[in-house]
Amino acid sequence: NAGVMQNPRHLVRRRGQEARLRCSPMKGHSHVYWYRQLPEEGLKFMVYLQKENIIDESGMPKERFSAEFPKEGPSILRIQQVVRGDSAAYFCATGQATNTGELFFGEGSRLTVL
Amino acid sequence: GDSVTQMEGPVTLSEEAFLTINCTYTATGYPSLFWYVQYPGEGLQLLLKATKADDKGSNKGFEATYRKETTSFHLEKGSVQVSDSAVYFCALLNAGNNRKLIWGLGTSLAVNP
Repeated sequence: NAGVMQNPRHLVRRRGQEARLRCSPMKGHSHVYWYRQLPEEGLKFMVYLQKENIIDESGMPKERFSAEFPKEGPSILRIQQVVRGDSAAYFCATGQATNTGELFFGEGSRLTVL
Repeated sequence: GDSVTQMEGPVTLSEEAFLTINCTYTATGYPSLFWYVQYPGEGLQLLLKATKADDKGSNKGFEATYRKETTSFHLEKGSVQVSDSAVYFCALLNAGNNRKLIWGLGTSLAVNP
């Protein structure tokens, strides 16, 4: 049973480009969370999605950031017109519909903006 | 709102030393409590959990007891190993907050041989 798959693991973008990060949940998981982690900082919640539905996006910046979890395919976190401050590790975590708090994390996508 | 406070790191110990990482929380109602661990270069993974007062979660020699009277969930291990070097996150899950985990900032542990 494959775990949570994130890709790319490493992504380099120049300022102004777009970054797309993908997350394929574990089989049977219908909840997806995206987090951002910076060195010396904790996990920052960004968005919580279920299939075709955004449940909570209170941690998402109002501009340039968007997320989706379509009926088919992976969840995608999209960052438009990246800036240097977007450089971070972005983690996806998935869980079951029962939402017991037991999340399974991917290995993260590390975005570097030049 | 709900919150989690962890002791600041980094914590540096010698192998076989006793470990305590403090975690206290603020929450309404009866949250579930968790410890997650992040090894270098990896994502987080669940270490242990407790869902009600006085429950003790345990795994891989680590333990934490849900203390409602002190609103705490301190992580302990009697004898740490070099392989325990990681960042440890305390978290809570409450019925509100759209049932998303509320995280502490993480405590970095380095164990020297």
